[in-house]
Amino acid sequence: DQQVKQNSPSLSVQEGRISILNCDYTNSMFDYFLWYKKYPAEGPTFLISISSIKDKNEDGRFTVFLNKSAKHLSLHIVPSQPGDSAVYFCAAINAGKSTFGDGTTLTVKP
Amino acid sequence: EAEVAQSPRYKITEKSQAVAFWCDPISGHATLYWYRQILGQGPELLVQFQDESVVDDSQLPKDRFSAERLKGVDSTLKIQPAELGDSAMYLCASSPQIGSGEQFFGPGTRLTVL
Repeated sequence: DQQVKQNSPSLSVQEGRISILNCDYTNSMFDYFLWYKKYPAEGPTFLISISSIKDKNEDGRFTVFLNKSAKHLSLHIVPSQPGDSAVYFCAAINAGKSTFGDGTTLTVKP
Repeated sequence: EAEVAQSPRYKITEKSQAVAFWCDPISGHATLYWYRQILGQGPELLVQFQDESVVDDSQLPKDRFSAERLKGVDSTLKIQPAELGDSAMYLCASSPQIGSGEQFFGPGTRLTVL
């Protein structure tokens, strides 16, 4: 039973447009959510996070939205840049333990 | 900028052999994690340390995997004997404390078992 799901394995967008990456979860005990970005041959790096008591967090071009009733979070990147091309993982935390989704590969075309 | 160090970066071994991976977390980080990432999947937690104590090893295949963090600083993950299905990326991460949210990952060790 996969508790964190990223249903889109890949996403392709044009430079300058919005990228929307989605993540669904099943465990209502998750209280903190994060997005990580991973380039080839590197470990994941933290991008942005949100507490379960909030519904939006913004950091520059990156915004994370949380819909607790739907158990859904999304990452918006505006505007998208070629350097954003990477694998994006969402992660959810319960009792100090992180559970990761399988990732979405984002390709931003110039 | 402080980073999590891992070695080796790549390891090729034959099945039934023993392998060991090393991780040096960011200085001062009390919590250390070992993850296994199979191609096309997300990282899966194998073991979590708080200082030198194991706080979660529920997903660690204890018949062949072992992990230690003797002085609460660096850590070693061992597989003996290695099996074909162990081929994966092994990631180490650290964080200041349990539940502090963000984890800092090392570059990983890519293991190939032949």
